[in-house]
Amino acid sequence: EPEVTQTPSHQVTQMGQEVILRCVPISNHLYFYWYRQILGQKVEFLVSFYNNEISEKSEIFDDQFSVERPDGSNFTLKIRSTKLEDSAMYFCASSVRYYGYTFGSGTRLTVV
Amino acid sequence: SQQGEEDPQALSIQEGENATMNCSYKTSINNLQWYRQNSGRGLVHLILIRSNEREKHSGRLRVTLDTSKKSSSLLITASRAADTASYFCATDAWETSGSRLTFGEGTQLTVNP
Repeated sequence: EPEVTQTPSHQVTQMGQEVILRCVPISNHLYFYWYRQILGQKVEFLVSFYNNEISEKSEIFDDQFSVERPDGSNFTLKIRSTKLEDSAMYFCASSVRYYGYTFGSGTRLTVV
Repeated sequence: SQQGEEDPQALSIQEGENATMNCSYKTSINNLQWYRQNSGRGLVHLILIRSNEREKHSGRLRVTLDTSKKSSSLLITASRAADTASYFCATDAWETSGSRLTFGEGTQLTVNP
């Protein structure tokens, strides 16, 4: 069964550093997403991406965040200057419209 | 209150019993989805029910949707210890070319052997 692949599975970074989280969506999917889940809390939407541009973003997705699909297969989330409160599990997802999403297994980001 | 609220927050049952989890939401939806998450792991899509459907089955899972009451339920029959996980409902409202899922707080299900 096709999978959404996320790397790395766990990343530890110093506060203020830039991090890039990587995702390989399912190849025939057209819609791509990032969600995050702070430990013990619910899953929150960050951003959706379609046709090489952001289609929707939440209030969490401020200027510190950016997304990119650099080569037609990868989908990345960059956090420019990490803060302690960015520590969370970050999930990438992809979908075909009108069908369910497929989520990756997540990247646990720890900011120290 | 927020979109996609589950109840109960926690449910503990014995193996073999049925588990029922409920979800309420506030806005109009295109579909509602249920996900499972083992502790600290990824989200696994269980089942999707469209707004024009009332009931759906998948193996031991049964989902109902009542759009007039803006509520859904997930029933797991003949539960197993391996069903122990958090279960989330998520609502999907298509508006433009992309959409967001709005997740609830989740129900932590513990199935005791």
